Amino acid sequence: GQQVMQIPQYQHVQEGEDFTTYCNSSTTLSNIQWYKQRPGGHPVFLIQLVKSGEVKKQKRLTFQFGEAKKNSSLHITATQTTDVGTYFCAGPGGSGGSNYKLTFGKGTLLTVNP
Amino acid sequence: DTGVSQDPRHKITKRGQNVTFRCDPISEHNRLYWYRQTLGQGPEFLTYFQNEAQLEKSRLLSDRFSAERPKGSFSTLEIQRTEQGDSAMYLCASSPLYSNQPQHFGDGTRLSIL
Repeated sequence: GQQVMQIPQYQHVQEGEDFTTYCNSSTTLSNIQWYKQRPGGHPVFLIQLVKSGEVKKQKRLTFQFGEAKKNSSLHITATQTTDVGTYFCAGPGGSGGSNYKLTFGKGTLLTVNP
Repeated sequence: DTGVSQDPRHKITKRGQNVTFRCDPISEHNRLYWYRQTLGQGPEFLTYFQNEAQLEKSRLLSDRFSAERPKGSFSTLEIQRTEQGDSAMYLCASSPLYSNQPQHFGDGTRLSIL
């Protein structure tokens, strides 16, 4: 079945440093989604990428979707303590690429030292 | 938009007991999903409803697990004869009917089996 792998599993940074997490799928994806889960919280949708090679920015966050639509990355510039949490990528596995059956990676836990 | 609501937030029960969790999706969302999340893992898809129809249940972990959405609004997830391995966070999510819309998660029900 479809597998989604993320690295690294953990990342600890000093406030102000940059952070990147990488996501790889065993299959070509119709789209990829990123979620953030704060400690003790639930996953919160961040963004969806659809097009090959797509790059989207949200303030200090930059998301990329690979040309082959099998990998993606999330880069945070100048981390802040509010960025703490686990970042998950997820790919749809339903028929026709519909979103209903999301396969999540294990996530990257980001901790920030103030 | 009141968000996805789950009840209870935490359930502690003895092994062998039956438990039922409730999810109230965002009111205009036709699709409802159940996931399970264990420590250090991403959410794992269990089942999915479109209105009252359960369109995917192959991922329900065993025949002890069942889910319903009788009127196409709230949903329940039942686990019969609970086992130690059922201890996890059970997350509910909902999304609009249109394809490729992101899923909105509730806070989850944390199940602890004694």
